[in-house]
Formats: sequence, C-alpha cells, structure tokens
Amino acid sequence: GNSVTQMEGPVTLSEEAFLTINCTYTATGYPSLFWYVQYPGEGLQLLLKATKADDKGSNKGFEATYRKETTSFHLEKGSVQVSDSAVYFCALLTLLSGGSNYKLTFGKGTLLTVNP
Amino acid sequence: DSGVTQTPKHLITATGQRVTLRCSPRSGDLSVYWYQQSLDQGLQFLIQYYNGEERAKGNILERFSAQQFPDLHSELNLSSLELGDSALYFCASSAGGPSSGANVLTFGAGSRLTVL
Repeated sequence: GNSVTQMEGPVTLSEEAFLTINCTYTATGYPSLFWYVQYPGEGLQLLLKATKADDKGSNKGFEATYRKETTSFHLEKGSVQVSDSAVYFCALLTLLSGGSNYKLTFGKGTLLTVNP
Repeated sequence: DSGVTQTPKHLITATGQRVTLRCSPRSGDLSVYWYQQSLDQGLQFLIQYYNGEERAKGNILERFSAQQFPDLHSELNLSSLELGDSALYFCASSAGGPSSGANVLTFGAGSRLTVL
C-alpha cells in the first residue's frame, strides 16, 4: 500500500548547521508530497509542497524536491535557527480505493532540536 | 491562529467514559478530517467528512464515531474509553472536495485526551 518513511530522530544540530531530513515514499500513480511542521504545543502547519515530479517546494529557507526516480522528498535547509526546533512530518496525498477520494498519509515525524 | 478551532484543548477522564471533541473548520472549508496522534502510532487518519457526508474512513475504532453538522462543524465521539485512547486528536479542514488532488489541510491545535 501507500506509505511514507522518514528518518528517525531525534536530530540535534547547532545553529547555522545544514539540515537534511530524509523522506521516501511508496505509492501508485502520481501523488502530491508535503512537509508539515509541528511547533511545541501547536497543530501541524504546512511547510511546503510539490505536486509533480521535479517540482521543488520551498518556504522559510526550507526546500524539498520531488524525485520520482528515487521516490524521495528530502527536506533541506542550509542554515538552521533555534526557532526551527520542531517536529517535521513528510506526507503523501494518495488516492483511496474507489477512485474519488484522497487521503493524506503521514510519516512518523522527525524531532529537530537546534541549539544556540 | 490557523482558523481551525478545536475544543476542549485538554480533557482528563476515566476509563469507560465517553467524551466529545469539537471542531470548527476554517471559514469556507467544506472538508473536515480527524487524526489521532500518539507516541507509538504517530499520526493516524481516522475519518473524513465533506459537506456533512462521511467520505472516507481510516483506522477509526468502532467505539469512535463522528459527524459533521449543517453548519460544517464536526464532533468526534469517543466511548468506552481505554487507557490506550490517550492521545492528541487533531481536526483539519480543507477547501477542496475529496476529489481535489492538491488538497492542502489546515490543522487545529488539537485536543489532548488523557484517560486515567
């Protein structure tokens, strides 16, 4: 079935370090891919998305490229800040059986802690 | 503020009890989704409604039920509660219908349920 696998955390970095959080997916067809972020005590917020192969989503210095050949959507940021400390979720929009409904399937989340 | 309102924020109850969680979607959004977030299971999709009708079911237990009312707010009812039902319950809404492949979900801040 359709699924998302993301690297297990926690990930701890120093401020200004480079960040990569790996995400791979299994899906049929042409899913849309998302990264959501959950700050402490809050709900999930959309960080970025890509709807087709080779699309690059970007927001707040974060980037992810939809790679169909490697079924990946890795999240990167060149220089993290303390305020980026949060849980990051990779997600896949999949078509449910029956062909008329979509569902968002999440990875397990990766906790990022950035130290000053 | 995401525009999706969930109440209550916190709820503590005993095993065997029944609780109701409420969600008001973002203005104009017709779809409502419920997710359960726990440490061991991650984010699990429970159920989706579109304009008052149930459109998709995920890993929702038979002890749980939900509905979406004519004013589009939704309630998730959890009955015969068990210790393992302790979790964060998120509601999300989206503007598009269930057949919109580029649907973006907006999440509420969640309701934290503790079953003692």
